[in-house]
Amino acid sequence: TQLLEQSPQFLSIQEGENLTVYCNSSSVFSSLQWYRQEPGEGPVLLVTVVTGGEVKKLKRLTFQFGDARKDSSLHITAAQPGDTGLYLCAGHTGGFKTIFGAGTRLFVKA
Amino acid sequence: NAGVTQTPKFQVLKTGQSMTLQCAQDMNHNSMYWYRQDPGMGLRLIYYSASEGTTDKGEVPNGYNVSRLNKREFSLRLESAAPSQTSVYFCASRVTGEKLFFGSGTQLSVL
Repeated sequence: TQLLEQSPQFLSIQEGENLTVYCNSSSVFSSLQWYRQEPGEGPVLLVTVVTGGEVKKLKRLTFQFGDARKDSSLHITAAQPGDTGLYLCAGHTGGFKTIFGAGTRLFVKA
Repeated sequence: NAGVTQTPKFQVLKTGQSMTLQCAQDMNHNSMYWYRQDPGMGLRLIYYSASEGTTDKGEVPNGYNVSRLNKREFSLRLESAAPSQTSVYFCASRVTGEKLFFGSGTQLSVL
């Protein structure tokens, strides 16, 4: 069974702090995606990384795919209250299935 | 643009009752999915349909059945609801290999 482990599970920080969320697996993925979910809504895609070692930036968010395509990280610089939400990583193996990590719940205090 | 529409948004059932969750997408996607989301466990795949006319089991299919009615619609049925099926259910769709588009979820409680 493929597993994606996310850490930390919960993070509460002050506005302006930096943070990193990790997503690890023993499996190799053809691509890895990061989603953000707000209360009462479904997850929304932030980014897809495909190539080992790839780094993508989305404003203050930086996403990295591990060289071996087994892990990924999400770094947020100068977090803002609007970044509050549940962040989910999801691994795709090339078939029809996508597996999700358990998520990191982020709370940014003003 | 509607995207993925799920109904109902909330439902309370008694143990043993049956119900069908409806899902429709207007993006002409081939693949459709049903996930359940429980605290601390992320999204777990129940069933998926790679294309119209096909359905396959995911990680947690027991106690559920699905129907891919046509390209737009993919329903999830609980024949005899159990408290362990209390969860938030999400339908999703996509073009093969690309990002998933999710509905806004159905919050189901089984008493």
